Amino acid sequence: QQQVKQSPQSLIVQKGGISIINCAYENTAFDYFPWYQQFPGKGPALLIAIRPDVSEKKEGRFTISFNKSAKQFSLHIMDSQPGDSATYFCAASWTGNQFYFGTGTSLTVIP
Amino acid sequence: DTEVTQTPKHLVMGMTNKKSLKCEQHMGHRAMYWYKQKAKKPPELMFVYSYEKLSINESVPSRFSPECPNSSLLNLHLHALQPEDSALYLCASSHTGATNEQFFGPGTRLTVL
Repeated sequence: QQQVKQSPQSLIVQKGGISIINCAYENTAFDYFPWYQQFPGKGPALLIAIRPDVSEKKEGRFTISFNKSAKQFSLHIMDSQPGDSATYFCAASWTGNQFYFGTGTSLTVIP
Repeated sequence: DTEVTQTPKHLVMGMTNKKSLKCEQHMGHRAMYWYKQKAKKPPELMFVYSYEKLSINESVPSRFSPECPNSSLLNLHLHALQPEDSALYLCASSHTGATNEQFFGPGTRLTVL
């Protein structure tokens, strides 16, 4: 059973545009929602994370929007750049350290 | 130091070989993880160590044998692997207790012939 559902599977955005990736979860015990960025042949790197006591968190061009009642969260990349082209994974976790990853979104930013 | 290191970067082995993957961190994290990642798929959790004790084993075949010699080191011993075990093997670490960020290493690209 997929604990975290992620969409879209792939995304193509023009340089300067906004990239939006969505995730949904079922388990209300989750209390930590990170987004990881992964380049080919590299390990995932934490991009930004949010806890359910806030509805939005922004770090530079990256924003997480969190909707607790809908059990959804999304990543917005503003002013998308070719260097943002990578695979993005959302994840969810609760105390106990086990992470549940979404299926990933392959983002391509066209110059 | 916020780095998780993994060696080797690449490994090619036959189905009868025995090899080991190594992971090291010096961030004072007491939870360490092994993940397996196939191309275009998310990481799959294999093992979790908490305070040097195995706390989670996600029904991984016995041909994979983890070891945590101390709080900074994590090994994955490989024996009699199958070609379908070819993947990127990722190590991660985090603080224990409340949910915390996991820091991932660069991975070991394993090819089983």
